[in-house]
Amino acid sequence: DAGVIQSPRHEVTEMGQEVTLRCKPISGHNSLFWYRQTMMRGLELLIYFNNNVPIDDSGMPEDRFSAKMPNASFSTLKIQPSEPRDSAVYFCASSLGSDRKAFFGQGTRLTVV
Amino acid sequence: QKEVEQNSGPLSVPEGAIASLNCTYSDRVSQSFFWYRQYSGKSPELIMSIYSNGDKEDGRFTAQLNKASQYVSLLIRDSQPSDSATYLCAVNMNRDDKIIFGKGTRLHILP
Repeated sequence: DAGVIQSPRHEVTEMGQEVTLRCKPISGHNSLFWYRQTMMRGLELLIYFNNNVPIDDSGMPEDRFSAKMPNASFSTLKIQPSEPRDSAVYFCASSLGSDRKAFFGQGTRLTVV
Repeated sequence: QKEVEQNSGPLSVPEGAIASLNCTYSDRVSQSFFWYRQYSGKSPELIMSIYSNGDKEDGRFTAQLNKASQYVSLLIRDSQPSDSATYLCAVNMNRDDKIIFGKGTRLHILP
């Protein structure tokens, strides 16, 4: 299995621009998580999906953040407009509901200048 | 109160000794517990899972769970320099499948 695949690996953008992060979960997994990691706040859960349905988005910091999962093999996290404080590493993870072991993608390092 | 708490470290342990990492959690209904290892610049990697009270051993790693005390620990025997990393404790909030992470403990194995 290829594991969780995220793209891009690195993104540098100017403040105010739209940023879209992409994730392909492990085939057969039915839960998908988006996390953000910073030195100050650690690994924060932004939103998670079960069977493509958003279950809890209480971690999404502001309305500038949105996430979608149109099908079982693809999810996006969008930031519009981006701000310098959004700079972080964004991870996508997926799990199979029965054992809840989450497996992570390589992450997207976002820098907003 | 934070949901999952860990001492940030750094925890320094001589090579060959036992490293002990601790974690407490706030939600009593939590059912699934995990330890992840994260090397600098890399993504978290699952190394242990534990679901019931007691000890679970896998090679040099032992996870310990005490639900009454809301406490999870990870022991690493015969510590190696390659064990130097940040160790993240994660807890599944069983009622809704949410997985919450602690901030991690930095472990440094001294050669």
